[in-house]
Amino acid sequence: DQQVKQNSPSLSVQEGRISILNCDYTNSMFDYFLWYKKYPAEGPTFLISISSIKDKNEDGRFTVFLNKSAKHLSLHIVPSQPGDSAVYFCAASAPYGNKLVFGAGTILRVKS
Amino acid sequence: KAGVTQTPRYLIKTRGQQVTLSCSPISGHRSVSWYQQTPGQGLQFLFEYFSETQRNKGNFPGRFSGRQFSNSRSEMNVSTLELGDSALYLCASSPDATNEKLFFGSGTQLSVL
Repeated sequence: DQQVKQNSPSLSVQEGRISILNCDYTNSMFDYFLWYKKYPAEGPTFLISISSIKDKNEDGRFTVFLNKSAKHLSLHIVPSQPGDSAVYFCAASAPYGNKLVFGAGTILRVKS
Repeated sequence: KAGVTQTPRYLIKTRGQQVTLSCSPISGHRSVSWYQQTPGQGLQFLFEYFSETQRNKGNFPGRFSGRQFSNSRSEMNVSTLELGDSALYLCASSPDATNEKLFFGSGTQLSVL
């Protein structure tokens, strides 16, 4: 069962514009959400996270928004840079769940 | 501090064989998780170990097993390999039991012919 869904397999954005990556979840017990970025031949690296007690978390060019009622979160990258081209994974965990549940990933291509 | 180290990086096996993958977590990290990545499926959770005990297991057949040693190093084993086991196997470590943030290795790319 896909508890975390990233419905867009890929996204193409012009350099300097905003990239918006979306993620939906079904498990209402999830209370912590993360985004990971993965380059080819490397493991995923942590990007940004948000707890369910917040609806927004910002770190430089990256902002994550959480809409609990819609069970939806999004990652905004502003401005997008060619080096941001990678696969982005959304992940979620429940209290005491001790494991992260990942989505299928979205390939982001930033064109210069 | 050295990152998570996985060996080997690449592996080619034939159907029916077995394989053992190794993972050395970041020094001081006691939790190790294993994930399988295939195109279109994202990262599928295999299992997680903390202080040599398996705490969580994903929905994989019994052919997939793992263990953790007292120095936190971990191995996973796949027996009777099938073509569908071809994937990137990722190991991740975490400093504590919450696993709120995982640090991943570069993975072992397994090809089953």
